[in-house]
Amino acid sequence: NAGVTQTPKFQVLKTGQSMTLQCAQDMNHEYMSWYRQDPGMGLRLIHYSVGAGITDQGEVPNGYNVSRSTTEDFPLRLLSAAPSQTSVYFCASFPSLAGELFFGEGSRLTVL
Amino acid sequence: GQQVMQIPQYQHVQEGEDFTTYCNSSTTLSNIQWYKQRPGGHPVFLIQLVKSGEVKKQKRLTFQFGEAKKNSSLHITATQTTDVGTYFCAGEGGSEKLVFGKGTKLTVNP
Repeated sequence: NAGVTQTPKFQVLKTGQSMTLQCAQDMNHEYMSWYRQDPGMGLRLIHYSVGAGITDQGEVPNGYNVSRSTTEDFPLRLLSAAPSQTSVYFCASFPSLAGELFFGEGSRLTVL
Repeated sequence: GQQVMQIPQYQHVQEGEDFTTYCNSSTTLSNIQWYKQRPGGHPVFLIQLVKSGEVKKQKRLTFQFGEAKKNSSLHITATQTTDVGTYFCAGEGGSEKLVFGKGTKLTVNP
C-alpha cells in the first residue's frame, strides 16, 4: 500500500517552461488537494478536488491547472513557470472534509 | 475568508522543557487537526478534535479544543530531541476547505 505518490521529487525549470507534477493515491479517497509550502507561509491550498471530474480553486490558484479524470490521479500543471513558483509542493488525499490528510513526500521545484 | 493564526512562529527550548503552540481561527470550526512535519519531511497527521472543550492526550502531547471552537492548543511535556519539527494546525470553518496555520517550528537543544 503506497499511499500518496508524488513525482518528480526534484525539478529545475527555466522561466516560461511548462511541466506537470504527478500525484497518485491508492486509498480510494474522494478528496485530493495540492499545497505549496514556502518559508514562513505554512501550507497554502492551490487547487482541490472532491471527486473525479470535479475540481475547484484554493487560495493561490494562479499559474496552475489541475484535472481529475480518475479517482487515483490528480496532476498539477504549471503552464508557464515563473521564479515565484519556486517552492515545495505537496499533494494530499483524504476520505472526507473531516478526515485525516495523507501527504505525499513532496516535490521541490526551482524556477530559474 | 477564513483565517487560522498560529503562534509562536518559532520556539527554541532546552530538552526537558515544556512547549505550547496556539491556534486561533477567525470563524467557528467544525473540527481542528494537528500535523507534525519533521525537517525535510512531509506533514503527518497527529490528531483531530471535534467537540467543544475536547482534550486528548497522546503520551507527552496534550491537545485542547476551545469551548467556542475557535481556538486550540498543543502542549508537549518534557520535550525530547525527537520532538523537533514544525507543528501545524488546520481547521474547516464552513468554507469546505481545510485551512492551515503557518506553523510553529520547534527546535530542542539537547
